Amino acid sequence: GQSLEQPSEVTAVEGAIVQINCTYQTSGFYGLSWYQQHDGGAPTFLSYNALDGLEETGRFSSFLSRSDSYGYLLLQELQMKDSASYFCAVRNTGGFKTIFGAGTRLFVKA
Amino acid sequence: GAVVSQHPSRVICKSGTSVKIECRSLDFQATTMFWYRQFPKQSLMLMATSNEGSKATYEQGVEKDKFLINHASLTLSTLTVTSAHPEDSSFYICSAPTGVDQPQHFGDGTRLSIL
Repeated sequence: GQSLEQPSEVTAVEGAIVQINCTYQTSGFYGLSWYQQHDGGAPTFLSYNALDGLEETGRFSSFLSRSDSYGYLLLQELQMKDSASYFCAVRNTGGFKTIFGAGTRLFVKA
Repeated sequence: GAVVSQHPSRVICKSGTSVKIECRSLDFQATTMFWYRQFPKQSLMLMATSNEGSKATYEQGVEKDKFLINHASLTLSTLTVTSAHPEDSSFYICSAPTGVDQPQHFGDGTRLSIL
């Protein structure tokens, strides 16, 4: 089967750095993606790792280790607007469909 | 800018009504699109894979006759919720990959409320 695990909630203060971990189990692997979703909105693509290593996009970075079936999303210089749900997602080689984790609710406090 | 357009954004209708939701890829061709459903405070659950020119592939537990999918062109997939009931009320989201080794890009979603 396929499954992804990530923490349900994380709380951090404005200006801090937070890391959201994701472990996955999947049949075939085509890449790990991260999405942000604010309440009432659709998911917004943040980052994608197809190969091992770190990808940096502004304040957001994402890391992947395929041998460990593990990745993380790093958010730096947290802002209040970063309060949202963050989903890791794996795209498998069987039909290329993307399966989502349960999501991590990030609360940023002043 | 948006690469996937979804319409309508919100639907409120009576029980028993059939509702059609459109998903369009903008500036690229999508032979495959995906339909998800999301209940409040839950994750996105894949309902089906829409395949251009062939039948959709449904995930286990999703009723094919209830959720009709048509992918008539390389830029348009439609999801029709037939004879909708209050339990079908949810947030429906489509997505499409822009390439073989590319992540999904999502439409803005359709919030369906059945009275």
